[in-house]
Amino acid sequence: EIQLQESGPGLVKPSQSLSLTCSVTGYTITSGYYWSWIRKFPGNKMEWMGYISNSGSTNYNPSLKIRISIARDTSKNQFFLQLNSVTTEDTATYYCTKSRDYYDGYSFDYWGQGVMVTVSS
Amino acid sequence: DIVLTQSPALAVSLGQRATISCRASQSVSISRYNLMHWYQQKPGQQPKLLIYRASNLASGIPARFSGSGSGTDFTLTINPVQADDIATYYCQQSRESPPTFGGGTKLELK
Repeated sequence: EIQLQESGPGLVKPSQSLSLTCSVTGYTITSGYYWSWIRKFPGNKMEWMGYISNSGSTNYNPSLKIRISIARDTSKNQFFLQLNSVTTEDTATYYCTKSRDYYDGYSFDYWGQGVMVTVSS
Repeated sequence: DIVLTQSPALAVSLGQRATISCRASQSVSISRYNLMHWYQQKPGQQPKLLIYRASNLASGIPARFSGSGSGTDFTLTINPVQADDIATYYCQQSRESPPTFGGGTKLELK
């Protein structure tokens, strides 16, 4: 069974970088699909942040483009999120996900449990 | 970005039909593909994919869930509603990047 698990600090100071790891088991991330980060803000709004494909290409939400980076470690079957220059507006629960479709990277059939990140001094 | 609009809440009785709507600011259909998906989220849990491409039941989802629609108007139907279905439901489009989500409809008991 495919499982995704986020990990990372739950508290980040304003202006610093947020770094999260998604560990994937049950499927090799280089074999197929798209691997995304999605966040849910307090109040329920959800935002797709970006993905890394099985080939290593990336695509980001233009609203985050200058602050976001998604990378991977294929030896550990992990992918990562880095979000720079965070503000309190980045306080959210962060999820890593797998795309449902090989060709459509934008629907999501497996989700991690989520990690709540608070940006506060 | 494509904006998806959902009603914030819907009250329903157990055993009755629930109809949750989602309207897109522009068409999310390409030829025969309707690129709208539905998720269920319960408190403290991650979202779960219920319906993909408007009307296809995701793996392991009970047949009391169904989806319909095309263009800009889509519907998720739960019939009959069970106690385990009390949750928030989100629509999401994959017609254009970035994919966007509706604001969620909280299903409540009458």
